[in-house]
Amino acid sequence: KQEVTQIPAALSVPEGENLVLNCSFTDSAIYNLQWFRQDPGKGLTSLLLIQSSQREQTSGRLNASLDKSSGRSTLYIAASQPGDSATYLCAVRRSSGSARQLTFGSGTQLTVLP
Amino acid sequence: ETGVTQTPRHLVMGMTNKKSLKCEQHLGHNAMYWYKQSAKKPLELMFVYNFKEQTENNSVPSRFSPECPNSSHLFLHLHTLQPEDSALYLCASSQGGGGNQPQHFGDGTRLSIL
Repeated sequence: KQEVTQIPAALSVPEGENLVLNCSFTDSAIYNLQWFRQDPGKGLTSLLLIQSSQREQTSGRLNASLDKSSGRSTLYIAASQPGDSATYLCAVRRSSGSARQLTFGSGTQLTVLP
Repeated sequence: ETGVTQTPRHLVMGMTNKKSLKCEQHLGHNAMYWYKQSAKKPLELMFVYNFKEQTENNSVPSRFSPECPNSSHLFLHLHTLQPEDSALYLCASSQGGGGNQPQHFGDGTRLSIL
């Protein structure tokens, strides 16, 4: 059974700092991996999706990497801003069986201090 | 107008009540999903529909009954719920059923069972 772990559970940084969020998964047979952010009382917003054949994806100040063999992904946020404060979730999709099923981590709650 | 709309945003009900959650997507997607997000736990997939057909039921108790009349609408009918069913229920949609495309989420329905 796939398990997804996100460390740390919470992170607080001063504005302007670069930071890295970590995601690890136990079964490397994945189809793709997706990073989301969730603001309090809101749903999930998709940030980046990395296919299993890709090594990284970039969108603005965000860069997500994927190392399938070691079961790891990182989300790099450059020049953090208070508006980046949210919970960041990673989710992996299996490569066999139910191709639509996402397994989520518990998230990292990020606070960027002004 | 947001891509995925869920109503109501908040719902309080007794264990003997019957209520329904509604989800509507305006993105032209053909796959829709119900997730449960409990405090301190990762998101759990409940149901998947593709072109109105249920393709996955993730061992969800029968007191939760989904309905998908068309590709744009998804309902979750609730009856005889338990206190542990209190959670945020999120609806999502995606284009295609192969898992290549990211899922787009609504803001959820916060359900409280008295």
